[in-house]
Amino acid sequence: GAGVSQSPSNKVTEKGKDVELRCDPISGHTALYWYRQSLGQGLEFLIYFQGNSAPDKSGLPSDRFSAERTGGSVSTLTIQRTQQEDSAVYLCASSSSGTETYEQYFGPGTRLTVT
Amino acid sequence: AQSVAQPEDQVNVAEGNPLTVKCTYSVSGNPYLFWYVQYPNRGLQFLLKYITGDNLVKGSYGFEAEFNKSQTSFHLKKPSALVSDSALYFCAVRSNAGNNRKLIWGLGTSLAVNP
Repeated sequence: GAGVSQSPSNKVTEKGKDVELRCDPISGHTALYWYRQSLGQGLEFLIYFQGNSAPDKSGLPSDRFSAERTGGSVSTLTIQRTQQEDSAVYLCASSSSGTETYEQYFGPGTRLTVT
Repeated sequence: AQSVAQPEDQVNVAEGNPLTVKCTYSVSGNPYLFWYVQYPNRGLQFLLKYITGDNLVKGSYGFEAEFNKSQTSFHLKKPSALVSDSALYFCAVRSNAGNNRKLIWGLGTSLAVNP
């Protein structure tokens, strides 16, 4: 079946512009996660959606970052007034449940470059 | 505080030799432990997990990992390495206690298998 998809695969933007990154999770997966991976670094948790519950936004680095999940499926991560330090690969993952015994399935990521 | 340590940034092994990628963790309560692999220019893939039960867990591509509670470790192993195993490996953990649903990720270990 189809895996997690993300778009665009690459995004180059100028400092100060807003960007939107899209994630399509695996159909039926109730949990969705956004991470950021900088070059040579591990995964940095950003935000977590589980069903209709309020999202866990504790990992968002600043108020320039926000995310939505519409209809319990597609999610959009928005970065306003981008800065050079926002350059990274943004990864989306989904799992079939919000419980932690279920593994997360990752998309290929969006490579964001802020010039 | 929960944490994961992958003490080796890089591991080099010869093809056909056994490989070990180390992971130690610190959590309150009982741990849920995961290994993921990231091949070059590809997304993260789930390898295996320990939730409960047998301390030796077998996963994809011939990998296995052994949960050692006394040493708080979950080292990844493979009896005979392949060149195609060269990739970045991540260990992740969370506790079964409390409401924190986020996985804590190690910084990754780069495995190079030499022909």
